Amino acid sequence: GAGVSQSPRYKVAKRGQDVALRCDPISGHVSLFWYQQALGQGPEFLTYFQNEAQLDKSGLPSDRFFAERPEGSVSTLKIQRTQQEDSAVYLCASSLLLGDTEAFFGQGTRLTVV
Amino acid sequence: EDQVTQSPEALRLQEGESSSLNCSYTVSGLRGLFWYRQDPGKGPEFLFTLYSAGEEKEKERLKATLTKKESFLHITAPKPEDSATYLCAVQGGNAGNMLTFGGGTRLMVKP
Repeated sequence: GAGVSQSPRYKVAKRGQDVALRCDPISGHVSLFWYQQALGQGPEFLTYFQNEAQLDKSGLPSDRFFAERPEGSVSTLKIQRTQQEDSAVYLCASSLLLGDTEAFFGQGTRLTVV
Repeated sequence: EDQVTQSPEALRLQEGESSSLNCSYTVSGLRGLFWYRQDPGKGPEFLFTLYSAGEEKEKERLKATLTKKESFLHITAPKPEDSATYLCAVQGGNAGNMLTFGGGTRLMVKP
C-alpha cells in the first residue's frame, strides 16, 4: 500500500476487555515497530519485528501485552484485560531494511479504556 | 539508557518570526538523530536524519543541525501551516533499531 495502515482508528474498551490492534506495513518493509504515545508525550517503544521474528520486546509494559507478525507482513498488538492506564495512541511504523533509519508511521489507534 | 529532552515544550510565534527548537540527547554510540513532525490525530511524519556532529540538512523553511550533545531545528520565516508538534528521536548503538523520542515541542504560528 501507499503507507502504513492501522485499524481501528479509535477503540473504546471497557476495563477488563481484551483488544486487538492491527498494523498493515508498507509492502516489502522488513522492520516493524510498535510505539505507545500518551497524551502530550513523545512515542515510547514497545516492540520490534524483523520479518516474522520478534527481536525486541523490552518495551512491553506488562505480560498483558502481546504482539505477533506471523507471516512477516501484518502485525497485531493484543492487550488483555485492559486497564485505564493502557489508554493511549498506539503507533505502528515500518522501514524497508534491517537497520534502516527512516521509519514510516501509521496514523495510530487511539485506545480509550473506560 | 538513551535520553532525549526537547525545549521549549511549547512555542508561539508570529508568522515570519524565526526561531529554533532544541533537542538535547545522551546516547551510547549515536547511529542517527531524527526529526519528525506530528499533526493532531496523525502519526509522526519524517523530516530529517542526521548522523554526525557538524551535519546540517534543510527542507523548505526548516534546517536541522547536530552537535555531539544537541540538535537544533531552525524555522525561518514560519507560516501558520508550520504549526505542529516537532519530535526529536535518537537511535543508539546499544538499543537495537528502536527510536528513543523526546516529549516534543508544540509550535503554534499565528498569522
